[in-house]
Amino acid sequence: QITLKESGPTLVKPTQTLTLTCTVSGFSLSSSGVGVGWIRQPPGKALEWLALIYYNDHKIYRPSLDSRLTIAKDTSKNQVVLTVTSVDPMDTGTYFCVYYTNFGWFDPWGQGTLVTVS
Amino acid sequence: YILTQPPSVSVAPGQTARITCGGDNIETETVNWYQRKPGQAPVLVVSDNSDRRSGIPERFSGSKSGNTATLTISRVETGDVADYHCQVWDSSSDPVVFGGGTKLTVL
Repeated sequence: QITLKESGPTLVKPTQTLTLTCTVSGFSLSSSGVGVGWIRQPPGKALEWLALIYYNDHKIYRPSLDSRLTIAKDTSKNQVVLTVTSVDPMDTGTYFCVYYTNFGWFDPWGQGTLVTVS
Repeated sequence: YILTQPPSVSVAPGQTARITCGGDNIETETVNWYQRKPGQAPVLVVSDNSDRRSGIPERFSGSKSGNTATLTISRVETGDVADYHCQVWDSSSDPVVFGGGTKLTVL
């Protein structure tokens, strides 16, 4: 069974760097075709895809946030880390990590973690 | 690339809900649908336009026609109350695009 669980701070001050960790189980981050991504949802707004890292360490980012995002994985720890620099209140929302294969959809999702920038 | 969903859809129990997702040339895209119930993480309900996922009731179905994809929920139940989001993978702009989400209310 594939599971993902997010962890990180619940409150971050503006201009700081947000670091979120996704701990996965049920698969290896180095398995061919596998990817892990991050998606967020600000309160009352749409889902917003942020970043994706593939099994071969290829990374893609949301173009409008590319300069502020970094995604990395530690296969030995079964973890994927997302950093968001220079946060501001618009970065407030629930952040989800998601499992991805080359079929184009995200399934399953982690439970999500609420981050407030204030 | 923009996916347009109605902000809300309301139906009575037992009726059929149709949630639309519009986009230019969506007929060439693969559309996925997610259900997010209050306080829960999103769940993939329909992938690849019309493939209902394992464990999802047969009342849920997906389709596409012209510039619109549609998630149809037959015999709506109070347990179907959720926000529904469409998603495509688009190489022309943002790689992954979500619609604005539709809140399903059961009257």
